[in-house]
Amino acid sequence: QVQLQESGPGLVKPSETLSLACTVSGGSISNYYWSWIRQPPGKGLEWIGYISYSGTSNCNPSLKSRVTISVDRTKNQFSLKLNSMTAADTAVYFCTRFARSYGSGSYYYYLDVWGKGTAVTVSS
Amino acid sequence: DIQMTQSPSSLSASVGDRVTITCRASQSIRTYLNWYQHKPGKAPDLLIYAASSLQSGVPSRFSGSGSGTDFTLTISSLQPEDFATYYCQQSDSSPYTFGQGTKLEIK
Repeated sequence: QVQLQESGPGLVKPSETLSLACTVSGGSISNYYWSWIRQPPGKGLEWIGYISYSGTSNCNPSLKSRVTISVDRTKNQFSLKLNSMTAADTAVYFCTRFARSYGSGSYYYYLDVWGKGTAVTVSS
Repeated sequence: DIQMTQSPSSLSASVGDRVTITCRASQSIRTYLNWYQHKPGKAPDLLIYAASSLQSGVPSRFSGSGSGTDFTLTISSLQPEDFATYYCQQSDSSPYTFGQGTKLEIK
């Protein structure tokens, strides 16, 4: 079955750029959308954005100017870059598959496969 | 952005109880509503998508209902492994916002 694994630094300095990668194993990155979600300490889940296998992306407007999501089909990976990091960006970051199914005349989207998450702390 | 509000924020219940969690959207999201279960230190699990469709492998004691702005997740008979935090998420329009979560604790 498809598994996702996040990789990247656990500690980032304020104002620096966070770079995370998510490796997809057990299946192809093609024909799906892929997404990043984060959870600050003691808080709920926040949707960061998604990217399609062909490179079309959509990001949360609250982060849009700072976020870049990309896909590398040759490596079966997708990535997140978040610049100008502050303490408010401290969180567990999850990569997920943003799957869809068709029913009742519509496509329905949902996060059906998740990585285990990687904790990122912003501190000098 | 569409705001998702869950109630209650926390809930104490016993094994065998029937539990209902409510999620309300700030505008109609038709049936574009998903439910997730999240245990500390683990990845969230998808339970329900499209408001009422049970994800493959999820026990049948979980069910979802609703449309428009009001939705419910019901657990028909709580099992020990069900104590967790539950989140709803709308997938009607970007950004695909989550509710604040409902923490289900053992009474």
